[in-house]
Amino acid sequence: KAGVTQTPRYLIKTRGQQVTLSCSPISGHRSVSWYQQTPGQGLQFLFEYFSETQRNKGNFPGRFSGRQFSNSRSEMNVSTLELGDSALYLCASSLEASGNTIYFGEGSWLTVV
Amino acid sequence: GENVEQHPSTLSVQEGDSAVIKCTYSDSASNYFPWYKQELGKRPQLIIDIRSNVGEKKDQRIAVTLNKTAKHFSLHITETQPEDSAVYFCAASTSGTYKYIFGTGTRLKVLA
Repeated sequence: KAGVTQTPRYLIKTRGQQVTLSCSPISGHRSVSWYQQTPGQGLQFLFEYFSETQRNKGNFPGRFSGRQFSNSRSEMNVSTLELGDSALYLCASSLEASGNTIYFGEGSWLTVV
Repeated sequence: GENVEQHPSTLSVQEGDSAVIKCTYSDSASNYFPWYKQELGKRPQLIIDIRSNVGEKKDQRIAVTLNKTAKHFSLHITETQPEDSAVYFCAASTSGTYKYIFGTGTRLKVLA
C-alpha cells in the first residue's frame, strides 16, 4: 500500500507570492492533517480535514488555508508568503478505525526568498 | 493553552546503554501519546504509542510509560545502537481528534 504522497517535494518562492501544496493520503484514509516543521518552532498543527470538512484548526494566520476533495486528497495554500513561512510542511493521514494514529508523508520543503 | 514539554533537548549515550526521554503534557483531556522518530531529511515515523488506559507498553528495545496523575510520559530505549541516532518527538492528542501537540524534540546520539 502506498504511503502518504506529497507534491512538490521542494520549492522556492519569493516573498509575496502564494503556494499550493498537495497531499494524497494512504488509500482508505479519510482524515488528512497538516503540520509545519521549523527548527525554531518544532512541529505545529495547521489544520485537519475529514470528509471535505475542516474539523480542527491551529493558531496560524488566515494566510494559511486548506481544503479536502471528495477523494480525500488535500491541498494547503499559503498566500502572501513571508520569509518566516520557510519550513517543511508535513501532511499526515489517518484511518478513523485506527484511533488517533497519524502517518506522515515525506513533506514539502518550502523556501521563501 | 495546550503544551507538551520534552527533555532533554540533546542526549548522547554510548552504544549499548539506555536512553530515556521525558515529556509532560498540560491538557487533562489528552489520552493518546505517540512517539515519533525522525532521521535527518526524512519524515517522522511512529515508533510506539500508548493510550491513557495503559501504564506501560513495550516493543522489543523500546518502552513507553505513562503517569496520568503527574501528566508525564517517557520513552525508554535499551541496548542502544548507532541506528537509533535521530530526533525523537513525543506528542499528546485527544480521542476523536488528529490534532497533535508535539514536544520540541530530543536529538539522540548513540556513540559507537
